[in-house]
Amino acid sequence: DGGITQSPKYLFRKEGQNVTLSCEQNLNHDAMYWYRQDPGQGLRLIYYSQIVNDFQKGDIAEGYSVSREKKESFPLTVTSAQKNPTAFYLCASSKGLNTEAFFGQGTRLTVV
Amino acid sequence: KQEVTQIPAALSVPEGENLVLNCSFTDSAIYNLQWFRQDPGKGLTSLLLIQSSQREQTSGRLNASLDKSSGRSTLYIAASQPGDSATYLCAVFTSGTYKYIFGTGTRLKVLA
Repeated sequence: DGGITQSPKYLFRKEGQNVTLSCEQNLNHDAMYWYRQDPGQGLRLIYYSQIVNDFQKGDIAEGYSVSREKKESFPLTVTSAQKNPTAFYLCASSKGLNTEAFFGQGTRLTVV
Repeated sequence: KQEVTQIPAALSVPEGENLVLNCSFTDSAIYNLQWFRQDPGKGLTSLLLIQSSQREQTSGRLNASLDKSSGRSTLYIAASQPGDSATYLCAVFTSGTYKYIFGTGTRLKVLA
């Protein structure tokens, strides 16, 4: 089955910890994205990548980092610098930047 | 700056009704517009993608229209069913940018 897999589904982080969210796709898509969703707000872009070994900051990149070493993978690290990390995180991919986007099932991150 | 608005924020209808969800955007210079469905706690499922050169797209009981000049799109759902209950999101990809801008969604409940 082709698709986007995010793991874990639920993640708990202690204050001061870094955590990494996984995103893998087997759609052979070049572009990948990370969005954050908070209640009552639209999705906001954290980082995006058009090709391997290249990525760009989105609108709310502070406190986050990413890597794109493989076409299939785009992990997101939520660092201790992110002051309000509790949210639902969604990974997406598309063939190109302005083509149809497909989303994973999300990771819900909670700070404990 | 592109802004996307979805009205109403919530909608409750009896089963069998035909219904229309609205999406408006402020900048008409778009590449495309995409409609998504999101079930509680889940990722986004792509429903329809309308390219800027198109007026409408259809998939089963769903029909989406696009009027770029007026900055509007509508999602028409025919013969609604309880299984259609979800949040519906629209997103636009604006020319010269690198991202989709999302509305905050319409939460639909179809009553049996």
